[in-house]
Amino acid sequence: SAVISQKPSRDICQRGTSLTIQCQVDSQVTMMFWYRQQPGQSLTLIATANQGSEATYESGFVIDKFPISRPNLTFSTLTVSNMSPEDSSIYLCSVQQGNQPQHFGDGTRLSIL
Amino acid sequence: AQRVTQPEKLLSVFKGAPVELKCNYSYSGSPELFWYVQYSRQRLQLLLRHISRESIKGFTADLNKGETSFHLKKPFAQEEDSAMYYCALLAGNEKLTFGTGTRLTIIP
Repeated sequence: SAVISQKPSRDICQRGTSLTIQCQVDSQVTMMFWYRQQPGQSLTLIATANQGSEATYESGFVIDKFPISRPNLTFSTLTVSNMSPEDSSIYLCSVQQGNQPQHFGDGTRLSIL
Repeated sequence: AQRVTQPEKLLSVFKGAPVELKCNYSYSGSPELFWYVQYSRQRLQLLLRHISRESIKGFTADLNKGETSFHLKKPFAQEEDSAMYYCALLAGNEKLTFGTGTRLTIIP
């Protein structure tokens, strides 16, 4: 399966700032996704990152707050904008190739002061 | 909309005893179901998928469409099975929906 590198692995940020999380895959993949896992909760899909076009956001998530880029088939970024303490979560990148199951990165643990 | 329910947040089992982690789903189409596992300090990883009908690390899961369940079972628990387990459903739109997870603790 594809090797997924996600960085940073963790960060502590100030309220009102923005952070960009990167997800790099060692091979071309069809689909890339971004999830959020709030403390004590399950994984929630934020959006599907589409190569060369705007991401497809799930209900409750908007582009202004979570802009996503996917310039090619091996790389995507998620930005968490204008952060508040409620954004403290683990953010996960996942990839899917063909009809294979999704595989996940290590995640980014984000804390907002 | 699809939904996955894992009724047990926490489950403790003695080493050597049988394990069953419950998962129920609701989905109007034909589902594809998965179990993912997250060991301490490791990434979330796929344990098994129902279409493979295989046993991984001694775990099996059978899709029961009548009961809309996909329970994970292992006849004899081992200490290394302690982890967080998530049941997930793949809908036709290629989106994975996760249950809330069950933290399994194996008591030595």
